[in-house]
Amino acid sequence: DIQMTQSPPSLSASLGDKVTITCQTSQNINKYIAWYQQKPGKAPRLLIGFTSRLVSGIPSRFSGSGSGRDYSFSISNVESEDIASYYCLQYDNSPLTFGSGTKLEIK
Amino acid sequence: EVKLVESGGGLVQPGRSLKLSCAASGFSFNDYWMGWVRQAPGKGLEWIGEINQDSSTINYTPSLKDKFTISRDNAQNTLYLQMSKLGSEDTAIYYCARVDYTFDYWGQGVMVTVSS
Repeated sequence: DIQMTQSPPSLSASLGDKVTITCQTSQNINKYIAWYQQKPGKAPRLLIGFTSRLVSGIPSRFSGSGSGRDYSFSISNVESEDIASYYCLQYDNSPLTFGSGTKLEIK
Repeated sequence: EVKLVESGGGLVQPGRSLKLSCAASGFSFNDYWMGWVRQAPGKGLEWIGEINQDSSTINYTPSLKDKFTISRDNAQNTLYLQMSKLGSEDTAIYYCARVDYTFDYWGQGVMVTVSS
């Protein structure tokens, strides 16, 4: 199984800050990584697929990058509505595996 | 509008079985792989498995392969998850999701509580 090391587990940011979350995989996943946002009591929502492809309707302040084993997800100009947990998911190999999640809080 | 609605959850005793359903609408169900993901209370997301369009390929996470069975009925636009030998570790919210390379649309989830 491909292991996903997501960090940090939590983030505290001020409104307008830029935050970055990273996922390191145990082997090359050929850019097949997606990023999800999950608000309390809600289902996850796909934000980005294939490393950097923003889903239609998702604000451009969300972005992703990376290759090989190292990937990152950023939110620029953090807004209050961004309070949520964020997860990476590799879908290069079965079984698919999620990162452990990052909880974003506002200072 | 893509809509996925899970049902069949609830309280179940340890060792018993339970079958979840996921009713799909708003897209051509038989054109897509479908999958299941679960989330234990206060924990992260866990991929359970996925099934292809004609049920000829079904993939599971290894630890659940002998307990859970994924199936689908394309005529009824419904995805299923048959769970057996349930234990407290299976207490979670269970989500169904559509696969378009990755999980692009999710249901609202259904809670399964395993307790005596």
